[in-house]
Amino acid sequence: DIQMTQSPSPLSASVGDRVTITCRASQTISRYLNWYQQKPGEAPKVLISAASSLESGVPSRFSGSGSGTDFTLTISSLQPEDFATYYCQQSHRTPFTFGPGTKVDIK
Amino acid sequence: QVQLVESGGGVVQPGRSLRLSCTASGFTFSRNLMHWVRQAPGQGLEWVAVISYDGSNKYYADSVKGRFTISRDNSKNTVYLQMNSLRAEDTAVYYCARGGEYSNYYSGMDVWGQGTTVTVSS
Repeated sequence: DIQMTQSPSPLSASVGDRVTITCRASQTISRYLNWYQQKPGEAPKVLISAASSLESGVPSRFSGSGSGTDFTLTISSLQPEDFATYYCQQSHRTPFTFGPGTKVDIK
Repeated sequence: QVQLVESGGGVVQPGRSLRLSCTASGFTFSRNLMHWVRQAPGQGLEWVAVISYDGSNKYYADSVKGRFTISRDNSKNTVYLQMNSLRAEDTAVYYCARGGEYSNYYSGMDVWGQGTTVTVSS
């Protein structure tokens, strides 16, 4: 099975900060990497698919990059509504594993 | 609007069975892969299973293989998760989620239900 790791966790930041979350796969997954945001009590929401493709309706301050085993999610200027937990997920091969999550909280 | 609604959760004793349902609306259900994902209390997301658009292919997490069965009825726009031999560690919120169209397993999960809670306890 492909194992996913994320760093840092947690991440303390302030409104307006540039935030970067890293996700690493235990083997190459090409660009089959998706990012989700989850707020307490809510279902996850997909932000980015295929490593860098922004989903419809997602603000442009979110961006993704990477390929192979190393990926990043960047929030260019953190907004109050961005405080949440972020998960990466590989869709290269079943079982489709998630990373452990990165909680972004207020510094 | 595009929507997924789960049902069937509840409290069940260890070793017993439960069947979850997820009914879709607002899109052509028969075109999409469908996933089940769960989240134990205070924990992260765990992918559980996926079924192909026509029901011919099914894949499972190791933790549920042999105990859980995913199925779908495209005439009813519904995907199911039959859970047998339930364990305390199966306690979680269970979400259904829409995957890619046809054989696009690489796509992310772009529509999620609100989740249904399963508690396994004696």
